[in-house]
Amino acid sequence: EDKVVQSPLSLVVHEGDTVTLNCSYEVTNFRSLLWYKQEKKAPTFLFMLTSSGIEKKSGRLSSILDKKELFSILNITATQTGDSAIYLCAVVGDYKLSFGAGTTVTVRA
Amino acid sequence: EAGVAQSPRYKIIEKRQSVAFWCNPISGHATLYWYQQILGQGPKLLIQFQNNGVVDDSQLPKDRFSAERLKGVDSTLKIQPAKLEDSAVYLCASRNPGTSYEQYFGPGTRLTVT
Repeated sequence: EDKVVQSPLSLVVHEGDTVTLNCSYEVTNFRSLLWYKQEKKAPTFLFMLTSSGIEKKSGRLSSILDKKELFSILNITATQTGDSAIYLCAVVGDYKLSFGAGTTVTVRA
Repeated sequence: EAGVAQSPRYKIIEKRQSVAFWCNPISGHATLYWYQQILGQGPKLLIQFQNNGVVDDSQLPKDRFSAERLKGVDSTLKIQPAKLEDSAVYLCASRNPGTSYEQYFGPGTRLTVT
């Protein structure tokens, strides 16, 4: 069975801090890894990663994948209160998406 | 482009009652998914459709859950009879399999079983 483990489960930071979220996985026939942000509604797409070592960047968010060690990290720099959310990692294997439990990030002003 | 539509947004029922959720995917998206997200957990896939055919329903509790996508467009998910542990958000997502692995999610239906 495919397995996706995220850490930490939750963290609290202050505005301006940098946050690093971890996602490790075991999946049959890995195809891609996706990061989603979930506030009080449906998950919204952040990044899709398919190749090792290539950083994806969008504003203050960036992510990288290591297919040898089977993990990905999501970085958020200069955090803002609007970054408070659950960050979900999901892995595509055999066209099925398996989600981790998520990391709850709380950014305090 | 219109997003994935779901209704109702909220539903409260008593255990042993039945309930149905509706989803209309993004136009042209052949693949449709239903997920169950229990509080504090990531979404869990219940069923995946490709057009009107079922691709994966291995995690669907078939004794009480059923889903259909008769015309290959919108879909319904039914629970009968509901149990307390079915309280969750039910998310529908769709994907265009010809373009990307990215799934687009609807706003979800929050079900509370009392």
